[in-house]
Amino acid sequence: DAKTTQPPSMDCAEGRAANLPCNHSTISGNEYVYWYRQIHSQGPQYIIHGLKNNETNEMASLIITEDRKSSTLILPHATLRDTAVYYCIVRVAPWNSGGSNYKLTFGKGTLLTVNP
Amino acid sequence: NAGVMQNPRHLVRRRGQEARLRCSPMKGHSHVYWYRQLPEEGLKFMVYLQKENIIDESGMPKERFSAEFPKEGPSILRIQQVVRGDSAAYFCASSSGTEPGELFFGEGSRLTVL
Repeated sequence: DAKTTQPPSMDCAEGRAANLPCNHSTISGNEYVYWYRQIHSQGPQYIIHGLKNNETNEMASLIITEDRKSSTLILPHATLRDTAVYYCIVRVAPWNSGGSNYKLTFGKGTLLTVNP
Repeated sequence: NAGVMQNPRHLVRRRGQEARLRCSPMKGHSHVYWYRQLPEEGLKFMVYLQKENIIDESGMPKERFSAEFPKEGPSILRIQQVVRGDSAAYFCASSSGTEPGELFFGEGSRLTVL
């Protein structure tokens, strides 16, 4: 799986959009980008994933550059409860590659602090 | 729809004792993963199991640690002869094994070794 690079920490004002960047310059054509977050002391939580196109769900939007070498997770209206470590993970889709290993490898992530 | 259930949530053991951590995956999920998180550190993959089979144990310490996911019942992570360095949060996750392949995590079991 390709490596990812994220800033160690970011701050955001409550009610504003939080834009979390992730670099994955060695991503290959069959690798997906996944985002998870871990609120302090809790289990990680899936947020969103994408391959090429931009994606949006009830939690966030994912913008992937055309060359796929970087992406941005957007929380449109950050709240205090969004304070967490956000992980960007790149992984081959095992159901597409004939493989069977679905594990995710977590890096250090970005600590997002939402301030009142 | 119950999520991933882990128990116990907190476990205290003395050095040399055994710790057993249990994980019940989400309904319909046959893939289980165990991760460890040491204090102030990131999540480290330990082992990935499907029913009755270990698929990937590349993150498991070679000694004292074992995992199983029997045909019936929860997955068990077993740590024999615990040492202080085993004190950590142990997270279990499950997935269906189909697209999009997201993992659903439990709230973790926190092991403290005295």
